[in-house]
Amino acid sequence: EDKVVQSPLSLVVHEGDTVTLNCSYEVTNFRSLLWYKQEKKAPTFLFMLTSSGIEKKSGRLSSILDKKELFSILNITATQTGDSAIYLCALLLVSRAGSYQLTFGKGTKLSVIP
Amino acid sequence: DGGITQSPKYLFRKEGQNVTLSCEQNLNHDAMYWYRQDPGQGLRLIYYSQIVNDFQKGDIAEGYSVSREKKESFPLTVTSAQKNPTAFYLCASKPGQNSGANVLTFGAGSRLTVL
Repeated sequence: EDKVVQSPLSLVVHEGDTVTLNCSYEVTNFRSLLWYKQEKKAPTFLFMLTSSGIEKKSGRLSSILDKKELFSILNITATQTGDSAIYLCALLLVSRAGSYQLTFGKGTKLSVIP
Repeated sequence: DGGITQSPKYLFRKEGQNVTLSCEQNLNHDAMYWYRQDPGQGLRLIYYSQIVNDFQKGDIAEGYSVSREKKESFPLTVTSAQKNPTAFYLCASKPGQNSGANVLTFGAGSRLTVL
């Protein structure tokens, strides 16, 4: 069973559109939820969300976590072709031994066409 | 520049051969991770190491082995026992558990193709 479920799995939009990417999860005892952007190779960090209801914002991107409903969203406004990438959602879990692991969803592939 | 270096970027191997992927970091991070990425599968954890000389299996460790003899290095060996080794392999690292920094930094990946 997938602990982290992202939707949609792929999305095609036109430049200037606004998109909302979804990440739902089952685990409740996690430390944080992270969003990454993967364009070609190395995923790059976007946001880390720890508290519910507090929006994180960076330029045209924003994200929020809802711990009651067990989901997070990543919004991108006024999309550009450079936003085309796979967006990964991950939960930071802590084991009983105290070690940290990131468990990823399958990602959303966003394609922005001119 | 601090970062994570993975090598080789592309690797081809014949069935039945073992291959070792290199991961080196100069970030002074304690924890290191290996993930495998397949199309439509996201990232799946193979092995991770919190400190030198210690490592744990992740979700898909079968057919893989690792070592952590130095803080900077966490090589991954893909053995002939791995049934479907063709994939994109990503190495990542993170500061120690007591640092309060919980963001993983990723390398550029190694793409392994088994012929």
